[in-house]
Amino acid sequence: DAKTTQPNSMESNEEEPVHLPCNHSTISGTDYIHWYRQLPSQGPEYVIHGLTSNVNNRMASLAIAEDRKSSTLILHRATLRDAAVYYCILMEYGNKLVFGAGTILRVKS
Amino acid sequence: GAVVSQHPSRVICKSGTSVKIECRSLDFQATTMFWYRQFPKQSLMLMATSNEGSKATYEQGVEKDKFLINHASLTLSTLTVTSAHPEDSSFYICSGTVAGVQAGEQYFGPGTRLTVT
Repeated sequence: DAKTTQPNSMESNEEEPVHLPCNHSTISGTDYIHWYRQLPSQGPEYVIHGLTSNVNNRMASLAIAEDRKSSTLILHRATLRDAAVYYCILMEYGNKLVFGAGTILRVKS
Repeated sequence: GAVVSQHPSRVICKSGTSVKIECRSLDFQATTMFWYRQFPKQSLMLMATSNEGSKATYEQGVEKDKFLINHASLTLSTLTVTSAHPEDSSFYICSGTVAGVQAGEQYFGPGTRLTVT
């Protein structure tokens, strides 16, 4: 299984940008990089995904290293509602997602 | 984003009984649905992959005779926990992918909290 490594937790101030790193040194050429987040007692929420190029959507930006061995999820202005567990996942064959431990993001007001 | 619902949101059942959880994609067709289980303070664990009209594919260590999955239509999948025991108490979450989209996003339901007494 392709795996990712994320920091256990990070802290941010409200209204400031947040950069959540993810290492995936064993990524294969066909693996997509997916990010989801989960609030307590809720199902995960899709955030963003990409293959090689950087991606932007209304929620976040995804910066992918040129060698694809790492990526960074960027929340441009953190709010209290962004406090969640963020999962960086490599999408495997058959569109399967294998969740790791993720990063707990705390946002301070 | 697309919407997935689950019913019930929480259920309490007695040991030895069976309970069915429904997962519906409300505004898209999901050829593939996934079922996950999450224990407190742990990450999601994939249980099985379900393709419409086909038998589900179970992950290693998941008992297919205990966790019955049916995916009879493009908008409905069900998970039946048979002869439930207290150790089956968990948060069960389903997700769906849009038909025809390779490596696309998964849309998750809100989860069902099962408590077996």
